Amino acid sequence: NAGVTQTPKFQVLKTGQSMTLQCAQDMNHEYMSWYRQDPGMGLRLIHYSVGAGITDQGEVPNGYNVSRSTTEDFPLRLLSAAPSQTSVYFCASSFDRAKNIQYFGAGTRLSVL
Amino acid sequence: GNSVTQMEGPVTLSEEAFLTINCTYTATGYPSLFWYVQYPGEGLQLLLKATKADDKGSNKGFEATYRKETTSFHLEKGSVQVSDSAVYFCALSDLADTGGFKTIFGAGTRLFVKA
Repeated sequence: NAGVTQTPKFQVLKTGQSMTLQCAQDMNHEYMSWYRQDPGMGLRLIHYSVGAGITDQGEVPNGYNVSRSTTEDFPLRLLSAAPSQTSVYFCASSFDRAKNIQYFGAGTRLSVL
Repeated sequence: GNSVTQMEGPVTLSEEAFLTINCTYTATGYPSLFWYVQYPGEGLQLLLKATKADDKGSNKGFEATYRKETTSFHLEKGSVQVSDSAVYFCALSDLADTGGFKTIFGAGTRLFVKA
């Protein structure tokens, strides 16, 4: 069982570069989310999606874009990377809102120089 | 808005000691409450959950009770092992306006267990 797969595991960017963090799940989950994890701050929600074609902003959406063209994939785009976006990024998925148990990928560690 | 506050770490215990990690929350609705655990280099995974007042979640010897009167969901384990060393996150989840849900996480508490 693959579960939630994130790529890449590590990435170094220069300020101003753009990139896409990939997230895919094979559990047919409707709900998917992106979080960033920073020391002492827990996980903060960036964007989330309740199904294909539907996305919404979380706590810290600025500087990030998402789209959800299929149930399986939920990529996160950094438009113009900034040092403040240095973080560990986690993608999560969930089967339904009644249970709302989330399944997490292993994370992408991003450094912006 | 909703929020979660958990005790700061790190917490260092000897093997077989009793563990308590405090968690309190504020919420306007009737959220579900969770404890997630993160082992080094991995993503978070669900440890236990409770969906309504007085529910007790339990798993792998860990327990937490949903206390609405004190807005708390403290994590306990009677006898910790070295393998329990990890970061523990308290979280609440509530319905969002879009029809989905939003989860708010605490800052995490790092636990070290010494042999």
